[in-house]
Amino acid sequence: DAGVTQSPTHLIKTRGQQVTLRCSPKSGHDTVSWYQQALGQGPQFIFQYYEEEERQRGNFPDRFSGHQFPNYSSELNVNALLLGDSALYLCASWHRGEQETQYFGPGTRLLVL
Amino acid sequence: AQSVTQLGSHVSVSEGALVLLRCNYSSSVPPYLFWYVQYPNQGLQLLLKYTTGATLVKGINGFEAEFKKSETSFHLTKPSAHMSDAAEYFCAVRTAVGGTSYGKLTFGQGTILTVHP
Repeated sequence: DAGVTQSPTHLIKTRGQQVTLRCSPKSGHDTVSWYQQALGQGPQFIFQYYEEEERQRGNFPDRFSGHQFPNYSSELNVNALLLGDSALYLCASWHRGEQETQYFGPGTRLLVL
Repeated sequence: AQSVTQLGSHVSVSEGALVLLRCNYSSSVPPYLFWYVQYPNQGLQLLLKYTTGATLVKGINGFEAEFKKSETSFHLTKPSAHMSDAAEYFCAVRTAVGGTSYGKLTFGQGTILTVHP
């Protein structure tokens, strides 16, 4: 079992650009959540996808959007990048019927210059 | 609304000493509580969780935590620290099934644990 995988591992962008981050959930999981972890902070919830729909959203602007595919994998898109978007982006997957445990991927570290 | 407060952004102990990392939570509904560990440049690994039942929960690597509803606390302990325990630790809360924040984890700010030889 490969666990939760994320790509790419690192990314450098400039202000104003757009970025797409990808997540493949752990086998058997149907729900994906995305978190942003700024340096020195705890992870902050961005949104959650289940059955290809956004089910919950944290306090993030519309520049942050996502998608879930039929195979349960997910993408996080960020438009009009700001310096403050520099962070580690974590994906977590879980099975809605066994929701107590969320498994996290290694994250994508995004640097916006 | 939920919130988590971790007391002490940095904790330093000697190898073999007791580890105590403090976590207090706020939740309007019965919570599920978690401790995660993060090693440098890695994602989060689940240490232990409390959902229902026994309030003293044991996790991996010799860690345990006790849910105290009256104190709204979920402190993490380990009797004897090892050098490999050096990492950042996050306490998180989630509402139980049926809560409005279904599945959403709210994390504390983290506590960096340093272990001295």
